[in-house]
Amino acid sequence: DAGVTQSPTHLIKTRGQQVTLRCSPISGHKSVSWYQQVLGQGPQFIFQYYEKEERGRGNFPDRFSARQFPNYSSELNVNALLLGDSALYLCASSLLGITGELFFGEGSRLTVL
Amino acid sequence: SQQGEEDPQALSIQEGENATMNCSYKTSINNLQWYRQNSGRGLVHLILIRSNEREKHSGRLRVTLDTSKKSSSLLITASRAADTASYFCATDATSGSRLTFGEGTQLTVNP
Repeated sequence: DAGVTQSPTHLIKTRGQQVTLRCSPISGHKSVSWYQQVLGQGPQFIFQYYEKEERGRGNFPDRFSARQFPNYSSELNVNALLLGDSALYLCASSLLGITGELFFGEGSRLTVL
Repeated sequence: SQQGEEDPQALSIQEGENATMNCSYKTSINNLQWYRQNSGRGLVHLILIRSNEREKHSGRLRVTLDTSKKSSSLLITASRAADTASYFCATDATSGSRLTFGEGTQLTVNP
């Protein structure tokens, strides 16, 4: 079975631009969570979606938005990019929600110049 | 903000030795999980321990949980060079809707 897939794997943007990151969960998983991991730090929670509804939001500005589609795939959008948005963006899926094991993708490495 | 704090931040040992990592957290939890991350890659789930459990084993891994002290430890026995990675604890708080990760312990196992 395919694991969690994320695209693109690497991308470079300039300040002020917008970026869309994509995530396909494991088949049958209805929950998707997004995390930001700055180099040398632990992952920071951004969003959690379950059954296409937002169930949790971390301490991130409104420049960050996300959605989940009927097939349970998800997109994370970041507008007006700042240098500090440079990070590894991780998507994780789970069967029922966040109480239990999360299955992570390999991440999208975003560099903002 | 980070719920969990791992200790030590970095640990270097020889192959065959045991590695112990500790995690402290701040609020009541449903469960605590440990994840492993190879450099720049995604995280891999290692083990989950529920708040009503005190100890759990999985292969060479042993996890303990002390809810009165709000702390957990991960023991890796007979370490191998392939165990070199960052290890994170993550908590599922009773009041939250997210899994909150600590800053991690960088483990280096020298062959």
